[in-house]
Amino acid sequence: AQSVTQLGSHVSVSEGALVLLRCNYSSSVPPYLFWYVQYPNQGLQLLLKYTSAATLVKGINGFEAEFKKSETSFHLTKPSAHMSDAAEYFCAVTPSGTYKYIFGTGTRLKVLA
Amino acid sequence: DGGITQSPKYLFRKEGQNVTLSCEQNLNHDAMYWYRQDPGQGLRLIYYSQIVNDFQKGDIAEGYSVSREKKESFPLTVTSAQKNPTAFYLCASKGTGGGERENEQFFGPGTRLTVL
Repeated sequence: AQSVTQLGSHVSVSEGALVLLRCNYSSSVPPYLFWYVQYPNQGLQLLLKYTSAATLVKGINGFEAEFKKSETSFHLTKPSAHMSDAAEYFCAVTPSGTYKYIFGTGTRLKVLA
Repeated sequence: DGGITQSPKYLFRKEGQNVTLSCEQNLNHDAMYWYRQDPGQGLRLIYYSQIVNDFQKGDIAEGYSVSREKKESFPLTVTSAQKNPTAFYLCASKGTGGGERENEQFFGPGTRLTVL
């Protein structure tokens, strides 16, 4: 069965520091992979997605993620954290050809001044 | 602007009552989804619908029911059989026509249900 693991339910970084949020998936074939951001009491907003076109994916708000098949990882990074990046981030996977999505348990990012 | 709307934003229910959460989309998407979100558990799939008049149970369908009579609408009823309904509920939709936005889910703003 497909699964998604996000290491670290809470991550704190200083403003201006590198942001690294980890996501590993289990799949026999490369699926579609997504990162979403959620602000308090709001829905999820798509940050970026991997669809096999390129292993390094650039998204909105300066975020990017690299698909590494050998490590079954899709970690999210941003070179310099901003206070407005404080939110919860979800990694998700959907096997190609299906309608179901599997979400990780989320990582809450805190940005320290 | 196209998007997904959910209403109400906050909903309070007494134990033993059924309540219906609304989800409407004007994105012309075929597929729609309902998720439940609890702290520390991510999103769990309740029901999904690939097309009008058809829907499938997700991982936690017990105590919930849905209908899909129109492409734009996918209401969720939380019945009295749901033992712990207090949660944040999210509706989503997805296009199936290919193109750049293929496989992207679009989410509504959510409904927070509290059982008193």
